[in-house]
Amino acid sequence: QKEVEQNSGPLSVPEGAIASLNCTYSDRVSQSFFWYRQYSGKSPELIMSIYSNGDKEDGRFTAQLNKASQYVSLLIRDSQPSDSATYLCAVNQGYGNKLVFGAGTILRVKS
Amino acid sequence: GAVVSQHPSWVICKSGTSVKIECRSLDFQATTMFWYRQFPKQSLMLMATSNEGSKATYEQGVEKDKFLINHASLTLSTLTVTSAHPEDSSFYICSASRQEYEQYFGPGTRLTVT
Repeated sequence: QKEVEQNSGPLSVPEGAIASLNCTYSDRVSQSFFWYRQYSGKSPELIMSIYSNGDKEDGRFTAQLNKASQYVSLLIRDSQPSDSATYLCAVNQGYGNKLVFGAGTILRVKS
Repeated sequence: GAVVSQHPSWVICKSGTSVKIECRSLDFQATTMFWYRQFPKQSLMLMATSNEGSKATYEQGVEKDKFLINHASLTLSTLTVTSAHPEDSSFYICSASRQEYEQYFGPGTRLTVT
């Protein structure tokens, strides 16, 4: 079982719709959770971090964390073609500073 | 804030030569830096964790004598690929940790070994 799992996609949504990206993790002691966006040929960019259960909103992005279900998600409202990228879920399991990354979900926003 | 730079952004070298890549945190002090490698259409692969003033911790399967890491200060870490071969051609990305385990990535270095 992979430690951090994401659907590889591609997830296709029309422009203006809500994109919902999901991630599950296996280690219950995980404390910190992150979403990164990676455009093709570029390095990852941190877009959201979340540490406690519930929702955290930042502009068009909302991260949701449910530690009991070991589930973290990212919602992108009013999706734009510029949001088309690979979204990486990353988890710190509490053993040092390392992050465990999922394989990423490809998002395509069609205009 | 939280800007990380890498130099060079791309490099072409001949098989058997060594290449050094620099990673700098420009506006914060990073006690920990990380080195990743990413092959086309694949996920990030952590190579090593680097703490200032101490030896790097390498992930299983990463040759420490081939990938030399030096973390001389709180803002600079270097990765040297020694005796590079074509199979070492990849996208090398560093990241720096500031707080709460957040990692900020540099723009990456594309290495091509001919």
